[in-house]
Amino acid sequence: AQRVTQPEKLLSVFKGAPVELKCNYSYSGSPELFWYVQYSRQRLQLLLRHISRESIKGFTADLNKGETSFHLKKPFAQEEDSAMYYCALRGYSTLTFGKGTMLLVSP
Amino acid sequence: GAGVSQSPRYKVAKRGQDVALRCDPISGHVSLFWYQQALGQGPEFLTYFQNEAQLDKSGLPSDRFFAERPEGSVSTLKIQRTQQEDSAVYLCASSSRGGRTGELFFGEGSRLTVL
Repeated sequence: AQRVTQPEKLLSVFKGAPVELKCNYSYSGSPELFWYVQYSRQRLQLLLRHISRESIKGFTADLNKGETSFHLKKPFAQEEDSAMYYCALRGYSTLTFGKGTMLLVSP
Repeated sequence: GAGVSQSPRYKVAKRGQDVALRCDPISGHVSLFWYQQALGQGPEFLTYFQNEAQLDKSGLPSDRFFAERPEGSVSTLKIQRTQQEDSAVYLCASSSRGGRTGELFFGEGSRLTVL
């Protein structure tokens, strides 16, 4: 079975502080990992995927197969980063999502 | 339209009623997915179509749930004899690629409340 765990329901930081949204997964093969984001009153959208090894809006995520983690990081949070973030895994089945972490960035 | 369109955006049903939720994917997108998102949870997979073929319906929670995509474009998710536990946001997503490999583009969802 494939499973995604996001241990934090809510992460609250001040503007300019570093952010790390945790994601751990369970999967026996080689997974594809993604981060999706949902801003207030907007639809769910792809933020980044581990295959691309890209930085989007200052966010990066590194797949750590040893620790089965795919944490999302940003060195300096901005107020516009406030949103719901979902980690997702695609293995032998379709996309499996975690329960999500709400990121609140205060001024 | 430019994105995935879902209707109705909000639906209130009395327990026992049948409901139908519509998804209009991005034009030309081959793959279509339905997800159920309960309050405080992440989206959970329901079913997947490639063109008109329903290739995976393993996530449908009961035989009260039925989905179709007869012409390989618009899809309808039907829930018969709704129960309170069916209350959730139903998300539709489409992808330009066949299989499960492409980027998913999500609609805004249909929020179903069963009283």
